[in-house]
Amino acid sequence: DIRMTQSPASLSASLGETVNIECLASEDIYSDLAWYQQKPGKSPQLLIYNANSLQNGVPSRFSGSGSGTQYSLKINSLQSEDVATYFCQQYNNYPRTFGGGTKLELK
Amino acid sequence: EVQLVESGGGLVQPGRSMKLSCAASGFTFSNYGMAWVRQAPTKGLEWVATISYDGSSTYYRDSVKGRFTISRDNAKSTLYLQMNSLRSEDTATYYCTRAVTMMVIIDYFDYWGQGVMVTVSS
Repeated sequence: DIRMTQSPASLSASLGETVNIECLASEDIYSDLAWYQQKPGKSPQLLIYNANSLQNGVPSRFSGSGSGTQYSLKINSLQSEDVATYFCQQYNNYPRTFGGGTKLELK
Repeated sequence: EVQLVESGGGLVQPGRSMKLSCAASGFTFSNYGMAWVRQAPTKGLEWVATISYDGSSTYYRDSVKGRFTISRDNAKSTLYLQMNSLRSEDTATYYCTRAVTMMVIIDYFDYWGQGVMVTVSS
């Protein structure tokens, strides 16, 4: 199985700040990576796919990058509505696997 | 508007069975692969099973293989998850998700239902 390691596990940031979340795959996943946002008590929502493609309707302050085994999610100009847990997921191989999540809070 | 509405969850004893359903609307159900993803209380996301657009291909995580069966009825736009021999570690919220491709070889999940809770306990 491909192991997805996310860091940090939790993060506290101020409004307007830029935030970076990392995701490391245990083997090359060829950019077959998605990022999801899960707000408290809600279902996950797709933010980014193919490592760097923004899903329709997602604010442009979200961006993804990376290749091979290393990927990142960047949030520019943090807003209050961005408080959530973020998950990465690889879909290069079965079983599909998710990172452990990064809980983002406001400072 | 794409909608995925799960039903069939609840409390079940270990070793018993339960069947989840997911009613889809707002898109042509028969053109998409579908999947179930679960989340144990206060834990992360865990992929459970995926089915291709026509049901010809199915994939399962090892821990549910032989116990769970994913299926679909395209005429009814409904996805199912038959869960047998349930264990306490199957306790989770189960989400119905839409995969972005038909044959689910390479895919991610672009729409998620609200989730249904399954509690396995005596």
